[in-house]
Amino acid sequence: DAGVIQSPRHEVTEMGQEVTLRCKPISGHDYLFWYRQTMMRGLELLIYFNNNVPIDDSGMPEDRFSAKMPNASFSTLKIQPSEPRDSAVYFCASSPGLAGKQFFGPGTRLTVL
Amino acid sequence: AQKVTQAQTEISVVEKEDVTLDCVYETRDTTYYLFWYKQPPSGELVFLIRRNSFDEQNEISGRYSWNFQKSTSSFNFTITASQVVDSAVYFCALVNNDMRFGAGTRLTVKP
Repeated sequence: DAGVIQSPRHEVTEMGQEVTLRCKPISGHDYLFWYRQTMMRGLELLIYFNNNVPIDDSGMPEDRFSAKMPNASFSTLKIQPSEPRDSAVYFCASSPGLAGKQFFGPGTRLTVL
Repeated sequence: AQKVTQAQTEISVVEKEDVTLDCVYETRDTTYYLFWYKQPPSGELVFLIRRNSFDEQNEISGRYSWNFQKSTSSFNFTITASQVVDSAVYFCALVNNDMRFGAGTRLTVKP
């Protein structure tokens, strides 16, 4: 099993540009989570999906952030327009259940200049 | 409101010392799950343990042990005979219908 796959691993962009982060969960996992990690705020849950349906997006910081899961094997987190304060490491994780062991991807390090 | 508190921001020990990482949680629910995750310097997050609220048995896995006490709402993690490879940030998390991570404790084990 390849584990959770995230792309790109690193992204550098300029303020105002659209950024799309991608995640492929582990096959068979019903839950997918997006997290953001910064020095200031630590690890924050942004949104999670169950069977491709967004369940809780209360952690999404603002309307510039959106997430989709068009099928069981793919999810995107989009930031439009991006701002320097969005610079962080974004993790995707998947799990067989909400309270199950989560398997994390390697993360995408986003830098917005 | 649910909350997870890891009061120790940073801990530094010398190799072979025992170290305990504290985790205190708040929830009104009777059914919940507690987790510990490790984030080594390489950055990935690794699952260590999951406990449900009805299982207060302490657990030992090699040099790692966990002490779950509902009476004090704590789920502490002890590393016995610490090693340099234990250096990492450790996160405690609470899950029921919601999910909360603690701020993490950065453990540095010096040779």
